[in-house]
Amino acid sequence: ELKVEQNPLFLSMQEGKNYTIYCNYSTTSDRLYWYRQDPGKSLESLFVLLSNGAVKQEGRLMASLDTKARLSTLHITAAVHDLSATYFCAVRKDKIIFGKGTRLHILP
Amino acid sequence: GAVVSQHPSRVICKSGTSVKIECRSLDFQATTMFWYRQFPKQSLMLMATSNEGSKATYEQGVEKDKFLINHASLTLSTLTVTSAHPEDSSFYICSARTLSSYEQYFGPGTRLTVT
Repeated sequence: ELKVEQNPLFLSMQEGKNYTIYCNYSTTSDRLYWYRQDPGKSLESLFVLLSNGAVKQEGRLMASLDTKARLSTLHITAAVHDLSATYFCAVRKDKIIFGKGTRLHILP
Repeated sequence: GAVVSQHPSRVICKSGTSVKIECRSLDFQATTMFWYRQFPKQSLMLMATSNEGSKATYEQGVEKDKFLINHASLTLSTLTVTSAHPEDSSFYICSARTLSSYEQYFGPGTRLTVT
């Protein structure tokens, strides 16, 4: 059974700081996703990572994938308040299974 | 491209009644659609996988007689919550998978409140 674990589940940080969210998954899969969710809204797709060593960056967010370790990271650089949201990693093995999410609160 | 819509976006119903939620792929065909449920401050939990023209596959612990899924066409799947109770109040999100890229796209969600 595919399991996806994220940590931390809650993160409060100051603007301007860097931090990393970790995502571990239990079995091989063919792709890994990172999504953002704002309160009351559906999912916004951030990254799709397909292969070992994949790294993608968009603004202050950078995602990477290590398929051998079954680990993905979402790195936030110089956080700003607008990045406050819940971030989910999700793994696909025929169907997409989500981690529990990381609630990110960035203090001005 | 690859837009998924849901209707309604928000619904309030009384306990004991049934409510239907529609999920449509607007600009692509989807042989497979997925239904997720999200309780407040929790993750998305997959409820069922819906295949066009065949019976849905439900995840463990999901009552198939309570959550009726119909996928009658390549662009429409419906979820009917029968005899709804307050504990069914949740955010229901559908997702459709494209035939070509095998990629899944998520709808905007339907917030169900059962009073």
